[in-house]
Formats: sequence, C-alpha cells, structure tokens
Amino acid sequence: GAGVSQSPSNKVTEKGKDVELRCDPISGHTALYWYRQSLGQGLEFLIYFQGNSAPDKSGLPSDRFSAERTGGSVSTLTIQRTQQEDSAVYLCASSPLGVAGGPNEQFFGPGTRLTVL
Amino acid sequence: RKEVEQDPGPFNVPEGATVAFNCTYSNSASQSFFWYRQDCRKEPKLLMSVYSSGNEDGRFTAQLNRASQYISLLIRDSKLSDSATYLCVVRNFNKFYFGSGTKLNVKP
Repeated sequence: GAGVSQSPSNKVTEKGKDVELRCDPISGHTALYWYRQSLGQGLEFLIYFQGNSAPDKSGLPSDRFSAERTGGSVSTLTIQRTQQEDSAVYLCASSPLGVAGGPNEQFFGPGTRLTVL
Repeated sequence: RKEVEQDPGPFNVPEGATVAFNCTYSNSASQSFFWYRQDCRKEPKLLMSVYSSGNEDGRFTAQLNRASQYISLLIRDSKLSDSATYLCVVRNFNKFYFGSGTKLNVKP
C-alpha cells in the first residue's frame, strides 16, 4: 500500500515569507509526528497528533511554527516569517498507535527540504 | 541526560566483518524498541523491532536487556550496502525518542 507522502519535496523561500508543508500519512494511522533534521544532525521532535488533536506540541521551536491535522488524516506544518535557521529537512511520520500487541513503529515520509535564503 | 544515547562512530570496517552497535535508554518504563537505518539525505527506515527475547533477521541480530536498559545490533558479514547511519529508537507511550545515530562505513 501507499506509504507516507510529503509535499513539496523541496522548497526554496526568501527570509520572511511563510511556507506550508504537507503530510499524507498511511491510511488508518491515528498518530502523526513532525520532526526536523538539520544537515548532519539527529531528529528533532516538533509535534505529535493523535487523531486531530495535538497532545504534545513541546518541540515547536517558536510561535512562528504551527501545525494542524484535519479529518484524522492530512497534516500541514506552517512556518511564518521564515528565518535562515529554519533551513532543514522536515520529516513526517505516522504510526498505527493503539494496535494491541504490536510494536507500533513509525513510518517516515521522504521529507521536505526547506531552504531559506 | 538524553533519553537515548549512542556512540556516533564512525565505525569503519572491511567487507565481511562483524560489527556491533550499542544504545542505552533512560526510561525504564519504555515499551517498544527499534533500530532504524538512515541513508545519506534519505528518511529513516525501520530495520527491525527489538524484542525482549532477542530477534534475528538474516545477518542482523538485535538484543534488548531491560534490566540494564541497553539495546544492541549485530551485523554479520558486512556488505558495502550496509553503510548508513543506524538509529536506536525507543517508544514510551505515544512518544518516540531517537538516538543521534551511529555511522557505519563498510569498505571494500
């Protein structure tokens, strides 16, 4: 079946512009996660959704970052007034959390590479 | 203290070698454990889940020691295609914690 998809795959923007990144999780996965990865660094947690609600937004680096999820499916991550330090790969993952007896691993999308000039 | 700690490496090994990676985690209540592989400029992909009894998948063997809060990955007969960064991942309820990764370079 289809995996996690993200769009756009690459985004180049100018400092100060807003950007919107999209994630389509695997159908039926209730949990959705956004991470950020700078070049050569580890994954930085941003936000977690269970259904349409976000019980954990603790990783969002500033109030310029927001995310929503609608219909328990697609999620968008919005970065307002982008700064050069926002340049990174933004990864989305989904998980069938709640499936009894399973390890409930995460499945990642290919990421959006954001470059802020 | 980080939730998950790994030796960053790099581990430089010849083809055919056996190599082992270790990882420790801080929360004894963690429920699930995984090894992911991440190739350069690609997303992480699940290599294998790690079970308490230990598990094997071809050339790969994973072990979990809950008492010591320690996870290991053994790769036998290394191939050039095994070159990647290996991420140790721990799940505690709905949150996943990632190690910073161990880089493996397999050389001809």
